[in-house]
Amino acid sequence: GEDVEQSLFLSVREGDSSVINCTYTDSSSTYLYWYKQEPGAGLQLLTYIFSNMDMKQDQRLTVLLNKKDKHLSLRIADTQTGDSAIYFCAESKGTGGGATNKLIFGTGTLLAVQP
Amino acid sequence: DSGVTQTPKHLITATGQRVTLRCSPRSGDLSVYWYQQSLDQGLQFLIQYYNGEERAKGNILERFSAQQFPDLHSELNLSSLELGDSALYFCASSAVGSGRGSDTQYFGPGTRLTVL
Repeated sequence: GEDVEQSLFLSVREGDSSVINCTYTDSSSTYLYWYKQEPGAGLQLLTYIFSNMDMKQDQRLTVLLNKKDKHLSLRIADTQTGDSAIYFCAESKGTGGGATNKLIFGTGTLLAVQP
Repeated sequence: DSGVTQTPKHLITATGQRVTLRCSPRSGDLSVYWYQQSLDQGLQFLIQYYNGEERAKGNILERFSAQQFPDLHSELNLSSLELGDSALYFCASSAVGSGRGSDTQYFGPGTRLTVL
């Protein structure tokens, strides 16, 4: 199937690290993404990882990829109240033919940061 | 700011009506995608256009159609609207197929459609 799974909710205290997990389905996905959605806002690209990497660090964000288990995680260091949002993981899936791809999104994880 | 623009921001209409949502991709991007975000279905891919041609279809209803114009902007047409069509509709664009690498999709701010 095309289900990308995430836990629905995560609560952390300001200054702690947050880890948001995702399980995807298609081992042939070339890119995996993390998007952030704040209330009433659009989808902001946070970071992505190419499938031949197992880790990518970008300032406070660390993405870990376990291809064998099809598991992706996003770690946010020193979490701030401004990080409160819904976080979506997504896998890029080719739809056949050239220049075609679509994103399959997870259900989203609501991150609540307590002051 | 992703560089993708969508209009209108909000749309309120009645059942049975028809609406058109508009999207302008980032400069130089040839691919445009439409997604629907609803409470019960989550974020779902609807359709992709590449340089004016339909390239991929997802869970798009027959009452919905889209097109991409020569200037690369795209429109999503929703007709015979039902209450269940109320959702946030996102447009995204990417450089895939343009020779600039990366199939990363950048999203617009969305159009919130309310069907009463």
